[in-house]
Formats: sequence, C-alpha cells, structure tokens
Amino acid sequence: DTEVTQTPKHLVMGMTNKKSLKCEQHMGHRAMYWYKQKAKKPPELMFVYSYEKLSINESVPSRFSPECPNSSLLNLHLHALQPEDSALYLCASSQDGPNSGNTIYFGEGSWLTVV
Amino acid sequence: AQSVTQLDSQVPVFEEAPVELRCNYSSSVSVYLFWYVQYPNQGLQLLLKYLSGSTLVKGINGFEAEFNKSQTSFHLRKPSVHISDTAEYFCAVSMPGTASKLTFGTGTRLQVTL
Repeated sequence: DTEVTQTPKHLVMGMTNKKSLKCEQHMGHRAMYWYKQKAKKPPELMFVYSYEKLSINESVPSRFSPECPNSSLLNLHLHALQPEDSALYLCASSQDGPNSGNTIYFGEGSWLTVV
Repeated sequence: AQSVTQLDSQVPVFEEAPVELRCNYSSSVSVYLFWYVQYPNQGLQLLLKYLSGSTLVKGINGFEAEFNKSQTSFHLRKPSVHISDTAEYFCAVSMPGTASKLTFGTGTRLQVTL
C-alpha cells in the first residue's frame, strides 16, 4: 500500500481551465517530486522539492506551477494546458533527495485528460 | 550524465518459468541502481536497489538482481514467475553525492501466460 496519496485520481479539464493536483505524505519525508508519464513511456521528472524548497525544475513550461505548502503537501497547479499534456502525473517522496540512495515512494497517480 | 538501457521492450514467459530482464547503465562515476514495477493503472513500487556492498541484491516478491560493474549491468531475475508478475518493469539510476535525478530506462513489459 502506497503512503503517498494523490487526488484526484482522474481529472478532465478544458484548455482554459485552472485546476490543481494534490499530493500528501505522512512519512516525514523531506523530498517530494512530480513526474509526468505518457502511455507506454517511463516517468519523466518535472520538479523536485527538498526541505520545502524547489531544487530541480526540469525546464517545465510555466503552465505547470508547483507549490509545497509544507513538508507533507505538494500541489501542482495547472493552467492553460494543451491536449499533449494529457498523461499520468505521479507524485513521489523520499527521506532525502535522489542522490542519497533513499527509496522514492510513488503515489498511484492522477490521470489528466485535457480536452 | 548517466543513462539506462533496457534492451527488451517486451518479455513473454510462461508461468513457473524463470525470467531475466536486462538493464545496462552508462556512467563515468559510481551510481545507485533501482528496479521498479508498475502494475496496470497503478504507480511505481520499488522492487530492490543497489547502493553498495554485496553485488547480489534480493528484493520483494522473489526478485533479485546482480550488479556487474565490469559489464555495467544490473539484470533482474526471478526463478519462477506467476501470472501476477505481469507488469511493466523499470530500471533506474541515480548518482550519489550530487543533486541529480532518478533516471529511468524505457521499461520492459513482462507478460506471463499459462
């Protein structure tokens, strides 16, 4: 059972909508991640927060805006998305950053469809 | 920068047969290596990881992997698979001591049939 909880599980939004994906973990982890996964492809890193500060932004378009309100929560704000942004968005967390060898725990993901 | 190659996009196998999923990495420095499994419509779950020490790593669900530095490989094995092992398997690498990311291979679809 995953201890990284993501909501909503499914989201359909129009290109002019503003929506948010939410992620929560209660494992005391200090690093949190957003990944994007297209069908039949590996996950691609979008953002890394370490100790509530953005440490990695993989050149993600500004229509995706991450937010880390506290050490347990991670949001991904979505605005003016394109149909090609439709994908599975995975949140993850680890005790520390990926360079430490700590296990990265993934949530079940949020399926996003942009129409 | 590091990279990961999974040579097989699909591996069909009969139930109770052994299986090996291949993973090769490229890096000029030492790396951490991981295998993740993704069941249909689910997130990723860690099977096992190699950080240092013994080159034979045992994971969950009866899987094991062997780190081979000279061949830069980290192949995943299971002596007898079950139908429930049908899933996508991803090999991944990260670099210790830097602010680098977890880099995934392209994945191998393991299809177990009766």
